[in-house]
Amino acid sequence: KQEVTQIPAALSVPEGENLVLNCSFTDSAIYNLQWFRQDPGKGLTSLLLIQSSQREQTSGRLNASLDKSSGRSTLYIAASQPGDSATYLCAVSPFGAGNMLTFGGGTRLMVKP
Amino acid sequence: NAGVTQTPKFQVLKTGQSMTLQCAQDMNHEYMSWYRQDPGMGLRLIHYSVGAGITDQGEVPNGYNVSRSTTEDFPLRLLSAAPSQTSVYFCASSPSGNYETQYFGPGTRLLVL
Repeated sequence: KQEVTQIPAALSVPEGENLVLNCSFTDSAIYNLQWFRQDPGKGLTSLLLIQSSQREQTSGRLNASLDKSSGRSTLYIAASQPGDSATYLCAVSPFGAGNMLTFGGGTRLMVKP
Repeated sequence: NAGVTQTPKFQVLKTGQSMTLQCAQDMNHEYMSWYRQDPGMGLRLIHYSVGAGITDQGEVPNGYNVSRSTTEDFPLRLLSAAPSQTSVYFCASSPSGNYETQYFGPGTRLLVL
C-alpha cells in the first residue's frame, strides 16, 4: 500500500527565507505527483503537477522536484512571504489508479513578517 | 464559473442521524470524488465517479453512499452517522479522471455527537 509522508509537520520561518518542504512515498510506481496548498477553512488549490517522466516543475517562486527512484519530492519556495503561510500537501497518483490520489499529512508553514 | 461548490459548510449531527452532503460543479467535469480529512492526516478517498451513472469505492467507503444521476452533482450520504465520521469532507472534480489536476470544493465540516 502506498504511503506518503511529509516532514516536518510544521515549520516557522522569517520572511524572505528560502525553504524546502519534503515529501516521500513508499512505492515508486507513480504516474504523477502533485503539490497542493490549503488555507485554513478552505479547500485545496493545486500548485504544481509533475509527471513521473519529469524531474521538476516551476511556477513563479515555487519549484518542485521529483526523484521517483528514491521516492522523494521537494517543494522549494524562494523568498518566502507571509502570504505563503498555509498547509502544503503532496499527493501521488499510482499507475492504473487515475485520479485516485494518496495524500501526505501536510506541512503547516508559517512565515513571520 | 462557481467551480466546485459544497453545502452545508458546517453541520452537527447526533449519532444515528442521516444526512446528505451536497457537491456540485459547473465545469462539465466527468470525474468527481469525495475525500475526508482528519487532523494530522492527509485526505483519504471515500468514493469516486467517472461519469453520470458510474460510481466506485475508494479507500474508506464504509458508512457512506453515493450516486451520480447528473454530470453536475455528486451527493454523499451518511445513512447512520457515527462519531468516527466527524471530519472535514472535500469534494473534487476533474475533466476526465486521467491523471490530471483536480479542483477542490471549500469543504464541509461535520461533527457527530
